[in-house]
Amino acid sequence: DQQVKQNSPSLSVQEGRISILNCDYTNSMFDYFLWYKKYPAEGPTFLISISSIKDKNEDGRFTVFLNKSAKHLSLHIVPSQPGDSAVYFCAASYTDKLIFGTGTRLQVFP
Amino acid sequence: DAGVIQSPRHEVTEMGQEVTLRCKPISGHNSLFWYRQTMMRGLELLIYFNNNVPIDDSGMPEDRFSAKMPNASFSTLKIQPSEPRDSAVYFCASSPSAYGYTFGSGTRLTVV
Repeated sequence: DQQVKQNSPSLSVQEGRISILNCDYTNSMFDYFLWYKKYPAEGPTFLISISSIKDKNEDGRFTVFLNKSAKHLSLHIVPSQPGDSAVYFCAASYTDKLIFGTGTRLQVFP
Repeated sequence: DAGVIQSPRHEVTEMGQEVTLRCKPISGHNSLFWYRQTMMRGLELLIYFNNNVPIDDSGMPEDRFSAKMPNASFSTLKIQPSEPRDSAVYFCASSPSAYGYTFGSGTRLTVV
């Protein structure tokens, strides 16, 4: 029973263009959502988050959008850079634990 | 601050052997989490502790898995006996709150 789903296992984007990573969730009790970034041989690191009372949060090149009615969130990266190539995990929380998705591997090519 | 420290980084063991993974959380963080990463299921929460007490172990796959946190600076995840399907990367994370997770670099376990 996957409560947080990332249906695209991989995404390839040209440098300078927009990357859009998607995430769906099933539990309406989730009240906080996060994106983590993971490079090979390293642990995931926090990227950006959003509370369920908001529908958008922006931090530099990264913006997270939340659509509660659709139980959907997305991460936009503009402009994409080669250093953004990594695995991105969506996560959701409603108590004091995070439930993660399966991840999307982003590759940004020149 | 050295971050969350996990050992070993890599572990190769034979099926049936006992495996122990270790984690040292960040000092002052009162929550500790063990996750397992696989291609099929992504990052699965296995168990988490709050103030050294196990709070939720519903993610532990079966009785072969056990975890302890004898004090605020150390936790172990043990698999006995290990099986090839346990092969994965195991992460430990600690947090001072519900959202401020810091992950270790992980232990890559291979059971042959």
